[in-house]
Amino acid sequence: DGGITQSPKYLFRKEGQNVTLSCEQNLNHDAMYWYRQDPGQGLRLIYYSQIVNDFQKGDIAEGYSVSREKKESFPLTVTSAQKNPTAFYLCASSLRTDNYGYTFGSGTRLTVV
Amino acid sequence: DQQVKQNSPSLSVQEGRISILNCDYTNSMFDYFLWYKKYPAEGPTFLISISSIKDKNEDGRFTVFLNKSAKHLSLHIVPSQPGDSAVYFCAAGFNYGQNFVFGPGTRLSVLP
Repeated sequence: DGGITQSPKYLFRKEGQNVTLSCEQNLNHDAMYWYRQDPGQGLRLIYYSQIVNDFQKGDIAEGYSVSREKKESFPLTVTSAQKNPTAFYLCASSLRTDNYGYTFGSGTRLTVV
Repeated sequence: DQQVKQNSPSLSVQEGRISILNCDYTNSMFDYFLWYKKYPAEGPTFLISISSIKDKNEDGRFTVFLNKSAKHLSLHIVPSQPGDSAVYFCAAGFNYGQNFVFGPGTRLSVLP
């Protein structure tokens, strides 16, 4: 079955630590995205990548980093520079030649303790 | 400033009645719109879309209406069912483009 897998589902991090959220897709989608969801603010774009080895900052990229070494994978690192990292993180992908929007993963809830 | 607004954070509807979720956008260049449905602790799933060349698109119990002059779209669910209880996100962007802009979502509760 094709889809997007995000892991882990729940993640706890101590303040000052970096943490990496995994996102893998087997849909052969070209583009991948990371969103953050906070109550009342919907989905805000952190980073996106339209092709391997290339990625662009979204609206709230500060304190985050990404890589796109393989088409299937788009890991997100939440660094210690991110002031308010506790949130629900969603990864998505899309195929440039269709117009059904995004396929989303099931999300990772990150809590800083 | 939010480009896509959903001014009702929540909506409660009786089972069997119509649910109407509203969405407003500010960028008149947007020409493609989507609705997503999201259950707690899950990723959003695509529900229905509409292109700016249409003013209505229907899929079963779900109909999306687009009023380009008012920069407004709405999602109608008829009849509403308890399983429709979820958060609904409106998204706006460009046909065959990427980087859709999402609204803040409306939480729909369908009461039995």
